[in-house]
Amino acid sequence: QKEVEQDPGPLSVPEGAIVSLNCTYSNSAFQYFMWYRQYSRKGPELLMYTYSSGNKEDGRFTAQVDKSSKYISLFIRDSQPSDSATYLCAMRVDSSYKLIFGSGTRLLVRP
Amino acid sequence: DSGVTQTPKHLITATGQRVTLRCSPRSGDLSVYWYQQSLDQGLQFLIQYYNGEERAKGNILERFSAQQFPDLHSELNLSSLELGDSALYFCASSVGRGGIGNEQFFGPGTRLTVL
Repeated sequence: QKEVEQDPGPLSVPEGAIVSLNCTYSNSAFQYFMWYRQYSRKGPELLMYTYSSGNKEDGRFTAQVDKSSKYISLFIRDSQPSDSATYLCAMRVDSSYKLIFGSGTRLLVRP
Repeated sequence: DSGVTQTPKHLITATGQRVTLRCSPRSGDLSVYWYQQSLDQGLQFLIQYYNGEERAKGNILERFSAQQFPDLHSELNLSSLELGDSALYFCASSVGRGGIGNEQFFGPGTRLTVL
């Protein structure tokens, strides 16, 4: 079993929809949680990071961490075709600098 | 643009050969990380350097080695290349060694094709 599980998709939604992307994990020691966006053949771009449980909002993006359920989410409001990309969750424990990535969810926002 | 630069963008080589990938971190960042991204394995951490010293090792093969130079740029050396080494290789950098606010920013990657 992988440490971090993420549905590979693809997830196809119409423009303007609310998108929900999720990851589950098994290591309760994870404390830092990140979401990266990766366009085809490009490097991952950091979107959001959170420490411990709770919500964090940045513009159209909201990151949510539920440590009791070992579940993290990224919500995208008013989705745009430019949001079409692969979204990777990543996490690490406090004492390590190694990021553990999910396999990525491919999102397609249809005009 | 993250501020992390990587060269070359593409590399095509043959099995058994050796290649060197280069990374320059963002201005002010002391840590450099190398990752490998393949279709079957996803993004895998290889190794981290902080201010010239190796800090952490991940799933890095013995045929692979890395170093960070005094000007903080880093090189990843891949030798005795095999077909399975074909992948995207990313470099990331961060300010420090860990903790809050020490997030990693990725470069555009080097696509390695081994024929």
